[in-house]
Amino acid sequence: SQTIHQWPATLVQPVGSPLSLECTVEGTSNPNLYWYRQAAGRGLQLLFYSVGIGQISSEVPQNLSASRPQDRQFILSSKKLLLSDSGFYLCAWSVARIGRGSNQPQHFGDGTRLSIL
Amino acid sequence: ILNVEQSPQSLHVQEGDSTNFTCSFPSSNFYALHWYRWETAKSPEALFVMTLNGDEKKKGRISATLNTKEGYSYLYIKGSQPEDSATYLCASGGLTNDYKLSFGAGTTVTVRA
Repeated sequence: SQTIHQWPATLVQPVGSPLSLECTVEGTSNPNLYWYRQAAGRGLQLLFYSVGIGQISSEVPQNLSASRPQDRQFILSSKKLLLSDSGFYLCAWSVARIGRGSNQPQHFGDGTRLSIL
Repeated sequence: ILNVEQSPQSLHVQEGDSTNFTCSFPSSNFYALHWYRWETAKSPEALFVMTLNGDEKKKGRISATLNTKEGYSYLYIKGSQPEDSATYLCASGGLTNDYKLSFGAGTTVTVRA
């Protein structure tokens, strides 16, 4: 069966420090991968998605970047964190399909609670 | 990105009662509508994916319907139980964005024993 691992579960970082959140998927090949952020009282905002190694699409201009160095590894990074980067970050995967992939359910990790001081 | 809205934001239900709530989405460029259940301290869990107008899906006591022409979906919980307490998210995928979903803010359901 497929599993998704996301870590760390919680993180407290000072403003201006770097960030690296990691997500790995097991039990499937060539998944679509996603990073979401949930700000307080709001829905999930898609930050990045990837359909293959080295292929990253950014949805919103921001202080963050993403990388996919291996097929089932997705990393969210920042060189210098801002206060506005605080939030709950979720990684997700879905089965890749040629064409209309948005009809595939997404499977989420447990999330990372990021607090910036 | 499609704008997806859910209402109400929260609701309280007595154990044993049935309830329903709404997800609305722009009907143009629509391709798929997803429902997820997000329990406290857990990750969101996929409930349904619907694509066709008139689709109805059911999982235990939870069911959902889809109207793509008017741009809404209802989620129903029959005979609510405390374990149904969760935030229910809907998300819409469009024709122009093959893999991306636009999520609503969710409806938080609290079932009182």
